[in-house]
Amino acid sequence: NAGVTQTPKFRVLKTGQSMTLLCAQDMNHEYMYWYRQDPGMGLRLIHYSVGEGTTAKGEVPDGYNVSRLKKQNFLLGLESAAPSQTSVYFCASSSRLAGGPRMYGQFFGPGTRLTVL
Amino acid sequence: GNSVTQMEGPVTLSEEAFLTINCTYTATGYPSLFWYVQYPGEGLQLLLKATKADDKGSNKGFEATYRKETTSFHLEKGSVQVSDSAVYFCALSEAGGTSYGKLTFGQGTILTVHP
Repeated sequence: NAGVTQTPKFRVLKTGQSMTLLCAQDMNHEYMYWYRQDPGMGLRLIHYSVGEGTTAKGEVPDGYNVSRLKKQNFLLGLESAAPSQTSVYFCASSSRLAGGPRMYGQFFGPGTRLTVL
Repeated sequence: GNSVTQMEGPVTLSEEAFLTINCTYTATGYPSLFWYVQYPGEGLQLLLKATKADDKGSNKGFEATYRKETTSFHLEKGSVQVSDSAVYFCALSEAGGTSYGKLTFGQGTILTVHP
């Protein structure tokens, strides 16, 4: 099992450009999440999904959109990148079965480091 | 809302020293509590967890006890190694079916262990 994978690993954008970050998991998990990590602020939830075709806003959703067309994939889009979106982005997943995330926590991908100039 | 507060870092220790990283939380009901570790250049890994009051989570020599009376979940290790150098995050997942396992994280504590 590859677990949770993220594409790309690094990206540099200019202000106003758009891009999509791809997250894939092979554990058949129902729940998927996108976080951003900034120094001194821990991880903050951007958007999450509780199943195929569903998405919901997290703590810091502005400037981002997401889609979950397939159960195993969760895409994060930046329509018009801003320097404030320079961050490390992490995708995670968890199962809702057998106690789910309260028992087993979330499984994280390796992250995407995004710089917006 | 929920919140997690970790001790200010960074923390620098010599090998074999005792480690404590403080974590306190604010939440409604009975959240689950977690410690995650992030090694340089990697994603987060679950280190240990506790799901109810007085539970003790343990893994790789690390321990933390869920203290509801003090709303704390402090991380301890009796003898740290250079390989323990990483960033440690305390997190909570609130109770209830509609929480969907969403995590609230502390700000992270950088630990550096010198030989």
